Amino acid sequence: AQKVTQAQTEISVVEKEDVTLDCVYETRDTTYYLFWYKQPPSGELVFLIRRNSFDEQNEISGRYSWNFQKSTSSFNFTITASQVVDSAVYFCALTRGGANSKLTFGKGITLSVRP
Amino acid sequence: SAVISQKPSRDICQRGTSLTIQCQVDSQVTMMFWYRQQPGQSLTLIATANQGSEATYESGFVIDKFPISRPNLTFSTLTVSNMSPEDSSIYLCSVEGGRGRSYEQYFGPGTRLTVT
Repeated sequence: AQKVTQAQTEISVVEKEDVTLDCVYETRDTTYYLFWYKQPPSGELVFLIRRNSFDEQNEISGRYSWNFQKSTSSFNFTITASQVVDSAVYFCALTRGGANSKLTFGKGITLSVRP
Repeated sequence: SAVISQKPSRDICQRGTSLTIQCQVDSQVTMMFWYRQQPGQSLTLIATANQGSEATYESGFVIDKFPISRPNLTFSTLTVSNMSPEDSSIYLCSVEGGRGRSYEQYFGPGTRLTVT
């Protein structure tokens, strides 16, 4: 069975602070895919990144960066110089891909960025 | 990325009635997924809908309560039947890939359902 744990439930930071959102996963599959999604107050789920299990290279996209470590089964997400618009719920998710591509989601982390 | 639209965006319904939610994608996709997000909770998969076959339901969800249609490769509907206040949730459809990008999953804007 697959499982995603987001131990942090709520994080509050002041604008321009850096913040890291943790994600730990469990799977028996050797091939799998990890995702991060952002859900702003409007409710829409915004795709941020997909990472496959064979690619442990860290990725940076503007103020966002992701650290994938198979040794610790973690896929953490860092926002640098946070902004008020970053306030949202962030979900980490996992799928084995292929014919069974359903996503298993973590419980989500509510990030509040104060001006 | 695939562009996904859902109708209605929100609705308030009385208990005992049914609501059909539509999901339209701008490209042909093999698999479509329906998720439920109860207030303050994470997303839970209801069922997977492949064109030309019966939907596959997850544990805890049944076809009589959540019938799904998938008439073609760009469209699907989810019906929430005999609604109760516990069905108040956001219902989201999701597709894999689109435009050849496999294993990237995109979500529609969601349908906010309130049952009174």
